[in-house]
Amino acid sequence: SQTIHQWPATLVQPVGSPLSLECTVEGTSNPNLYWYRQAAGRGLQLLFYSVGIGQISSEVPQNLSASRPQDRQFILSSKKLLLSDSGFYLCAWRVSGAHSGNTIYFGEGSWLTVV
Amino acid sequence: AQSVTQLGSHVSVSEGALVLLRCNYSSSVPPYLFWYVQYPNQGLQLLLKYTSAATLVKGINGFEAEFKKSETSFHLTKPSAHMSDAAEYFCAVSDPGTNAGKSTFGDGTTLTVKP
Repeated sequence: SQTIHQWPATLVQPVGSPLSLECTVEGTSNPNLYWYRQAAGRGLQLLFYSVGIGQISSEVPQNLSASRPQDRQFILSSKKLLLSDSGFYLCAWRVSGAHSGNTIYFGEGSWLTVV
Repeated sequence: AQSVTQLGSHVSVSEGALVLLRCNYSSSVPPYLFWYVQYPNQGLQLLLKYTSAATLVKGINGFEAEFKKSETSFHLTKPSAHMSDAAEYFCAVSDPGTNAGKSTFGDGTTLTVKP
């Protein structure tokens, strides 16, 4: 069966420090991968998605970047964090290809507090 | 373009009462529709999904939803609420014909179950 893991689960970072959140998927090949952010009391905002190694699409202009160095690895980064980057970050995946059912499966989430 | 509106950011019911969480969508093509549940500090878990088969979809934990094209709705129901149903619920819409399979999420509805 497929599983998705992301880490760290929680982190507190000072303003201006770098960020690296990592996500890996097991049990599937060539998944579509996603990074979402969930601000407190709000819905999910899609930040980045990837349909293959090295292919990253950004949904919103921001202080963050994403990379996919391996088929099942997705990394969310920042060189200098802002207070507004605080939130709950969710990695997700789905089977690639159109008409595949489009069900998105989520990781456990990472709480980021920028102080 | 696609969008989701969840009517009511907070819903409170008594234990044993009917649960009704409302979701209306907008999509230029016949959509896939999803309901997810999120417990505190966790990722999202799929409750059920509609992918153009039966309009009444049954999910986990006794939940079901009915796709009504004429009303562009996909409301979530459960006949009898349980204390363990207290969580946040998200409705999502997706275009089945795209490889990226991006889903658009509503802002969520927090369900409170009173004893």
